[in-house]
Amino acid sequence: DSGVTQTPKHLITATGQRVTLRCSPRSGDLSVYWYQQSLDQGLQFLIQYYNGEERAKGNILERFSAQQFPDLHSELNLSSLELGDSALYFCASSVGTASQPQHFGDGTRLSIL
Amino acid sequence: GNSVTQMEGPVTLSEEAFLTINCTYTATGYPSLFWYVQYPGEGLQLLLKATKADDKGSNKGFEATYRKETTSFHLEKGSVQVSDSAVYFCALSRRDTGRRALTFGSGTRLQVQP
Repeated sequence: DSGVTQTPKHLITATGQRVTLRCSPRSGDLSVYWYQQSLDQGLQFLIQYYNGEERAKGNILERFSAQQFPDLHSELNLSSLELGDSALYFCASSVGTASQPQHFGDGTRLSIL
Repeated sequence: GNSVTQMEGPVTLSEEAFLTINCTYTATGYPSLFWYVQYPGEGLQLLLKATKADDKGSNKGFEATYRKETTSFHLEKGSVQVSDSAVYFCALSRRDTGRRALTFGSGTRLQVQP
């Protein structure tokens, strides 16, 4: 058990819809990262938050947004969903330094019909 | 930019065989290097890490040495088991900037046959 909790485990929705993925980091971790894993793109970094503030952006679409709340949990919002957004979305957390590893949740599998 | 290149899979081995999965990286600055493992239907688990040149990370019989001169971080295990069947990802994280996101390789699937 990594200590990182992601909900829901599975989401099935239709094109054009909006969904919210939730992540609770490990106790004591201030950084939260979101990654997308798909067959064609592999594992790609989307966005990082540190103690409530956006720290870095990766290959995140404008239709996607995220935030980290005062209790340090984070949400990833995906809107105007397209078939190509079907993927496994992982949240990871760490204390925030590069030498310390990131610990991953079990992911949310998003299927767009 | 940063990138990680892993050997193509799948790698199929018999139980007790020697494993090597090659990983090379390109990065400016001084990255930390990691190996993660993903078992079927699960998230990524940290396998081992190394934070500076010549460091050796080890865990569960797996080892990898941070080679700055060859920009490599190859994963090795002396005797694989069926339970090691999984996808292995090499990754790096920059240390000299505020950005800590991991850059992953494409993953190498290992299949160990009894």
